[in-house]
Amino acid sequence: DGGITQSPKYLFRKEGQNVTLSCEQNLNHDAMYWYRQDPGQGLRLIYYSQIVNDFQKGDIAEGYSVSREKKESFPLTVTSAQKNPTAFYLCATQGAVESYNEQFFGPGTRLTVL
Amino acid sequence: GQNIDQPTEMTATEGAIVQINCTYQTSGFNGLFWYQQHAGEAPTFLSYNVLDGLEEKGRFSSFLSRSKGYSYLLLKELQMKDSASYLCAVGDSNYQLIWGAGTKLIIKP
Repeated sequence: DGGITQSPKYLFRKEGQNVTLSCEQNLNHDAMYWYRQDPGQGLRLIYYSQIVNDFQKGDIAEGYSVSREKKESFPLTVTSAQKNPTAFYLCATQGAVESYNEQFFGPGTRLTVL
Repeated sequence: GQNIDQPTEMTATEGAIVQINCTYQTSGFNGLFWYQQHAGEAPTFLSYNVLDGLEEKGRFSSFLSRSKGYSYLLLKELQMKDSASYLCAVGDSNYQLIWGAGTKLIIKP
């Protein structure tokens, strides 16, 4: 079964703690994205990666970090520097960046800071 | 700047037709997408327009006018399961998707 998995589905964090959200794909897609979605708002781009060992900041990268050591994996770390991390986090992939650019989404992780 | 506008919320009746509009201003244009998102779930792809005109897919159709920076999603024979948010997204000159805030569609019996 081809797809994108994100874990965990729900995550609770205490203030001051770092936490890592997992994103794995077996679609063999080059590009991977992390978005944040707040209630009643659209998707805001945090980071994206078009190739292994390379990634770029999106519009709201402050307080987040990523790595892309394998094509299949693009984990997102929410650091204690992120002032308001409670949100719904979505990972997406795209087959080829400079072409038909439909994005496919994982099921999401809902992060709550206690 | 880059901007995509959609109505925040719309209400329609089961069995009726509804049109959700999207206007955009982006640096470049590489296609316009419509996604459906049920509450608490990930967005799922509905349609893609890159040329002017109407694309029909079952009960859903999407229209694009590049000169006007305008698109609409038309949903026919509305069903209760169509209650969801509908997101408009545009590919910019860097092939990144710029997302609208979404339109929450409420279907009443």
